[in-house]
Amino acid sequence: DAGVTQSPTHLIKTRGQQVTLRCSPKSGHDTVSWYQQALGQGPQFIFQYYEEEERQRGNFPDRFSGHQFPNYSSELNVNALLLGDSALYLCASSFFGAKDTIYFGEGSWLTVV
Amino acid sequence: AQSVTQLDSHVSVSEGTPVLLRCNYSSSYSPSLFWYVQHPNKGLQLLLKYTSAATLVKGINGFEAEFKKSETSFHLTKPSAHMSDAAEYFCVVSVFNNDMRFGAGTRLTVKP
Repeated sequence: DAGVTQSPTHLIKTRGQQVTLRCSPKSGHDTVSWYQQALGQGPQFIFQYYEEEERQRGNFPDRFSGHQFPNYSSELNVNALLLGDSALYLCASSFFGAKDTIYFGEGSWLTVV
Repeated sequence: AQSVTQLDSHVSVSEGTPVLLRCNYSSSYSPSLFWYVQHPNKGLQLLLKYTSAATLVKGINGFEAEFKKSETSFHLTKPSAHMSDAAEYFCVVSVFNNDMRFGAGTRLTVKP
């Protein structure tokens, strides 16, 4: 049973570019949440997707957008990259509305130069 | 909105001595509380969780935490530290739909 998988694991982008990160949730889970973890800090909630809609959003600008597909996988898109977007981006999967264990992927390391 | 405060950014203990990592939470509703561990350049691993059942929660690797509503605390403890416990630890609160709010983290150093 595969856990949460994320791709790519590492990538380098230039300021102003756009990036897409991908996440496949744990088998059977229907909800995907995205987090940004800057170096030396705790993960910060970006947004959550369920039934292909954004359900909740943290304090992130509109440059951060996402999508969820019918198979529950998800993408995180960041436009007009800034140096400060350099971070580890974590995907978490769960059942919507359940106080159940949430599973995290290994993350995607984004470096903006 | 819910939030957590980890009271120590860095804790240093000697191998074989007890570990105490402190966490206070704030929530308008009945929270779920978690402790996660993150080893360098690794993802997050769940140590334990509280979801309104027993207030003393036992987790993996000998860790446990006690939910104290009157003190709004959820401190993580381990009787005897091991070198492999050296890592970053995050206290997390969640209320609805698994919207998890992380603390800033506590770096645990274990000295031989």
